[in-house]
Amino acid sequence: GNSVTQMEGPVTLSEEAFLTINCTYTATGYPSLFWYVQYPGEGLQLLLKATKADDKGSNKGFEATYRKETTSFHLEKGSVQVSDSAVYFCALSGLNYGGSQGNLIFGKGTKLSVKP
Amino acid sequence: EAQVTQNPRYLITVTGKKLTVTCSQNMNHEYMSWYRQDPGLGLRQIYYSMNVEVTDKGDVPEGYKVSRKEKRNFPLILESPSPNQTSLYFCASSPQRDASYNSPLHFGNGTRLTVT
Repeated sequence: GNSVTQMEGPVTLSEEAFLTINCTYTATGYPSLFWYVQYPGEGLQLLLKATKADDKGSNKGFEATYRKETTSFHLEKGSVQVSDSAVYFCALSGLNYGGSQGNLIFGKGTKLSVKP
Repeated sequence: EAQVTQNPRYLITVTGKKLTVTCSQNMNHEYMSWYRQDPGLGLRQIYYSMNVEVTDKGDVPEGYKVSRKEKRNFPLILESPSPNQTSLYFCASSPQRDASYNSPLHFGNGTRLTVT
């Protein structure tokens, strides 16, 4: 079935370090891919998205490229800040899977802590 | 302000005592959904609705009920709560009839439920 696998956390980095959070997916068809972020005490917010192979989504200094050949959508940021501390979720959506057409399937989330 | 509002934010109850968690959105969104978030399991979908009077089961619907009598409201009902329903619950909505590339999810701030 369709699924999303994220690297397990927590991830702890120092400020200004480079961030990569790995995400791979299994899906039939051509899903759209998303990264959502959850700041402490809040709901999830869309961070970035991509809809087809080689698309790059970007927002707030974060980037992710839709790689169909490796079925991946890794999240990267060149220089993290303390304010980036949050839980990051990779997700996919598409048609005709699991009886829930058009719904999102989320990864388990990766907690990022950035120390000053 | 455009938002998804859940109430209450925190709820402690006892086994078997019926409860309702309310969810309301002011964005005229078509699609609404409930998720639960548990450590190590990420987000799992409980129920969703693509339109008024149309609801369907997600991945973990057992023990829950929903209704969509009005477009803006999508309450989650636990008729007889049990301790395994202790979790963090999120309501979400999206503009179109699914959660796709052009129709990302907007989340509420969550309801932390404890069933003793």
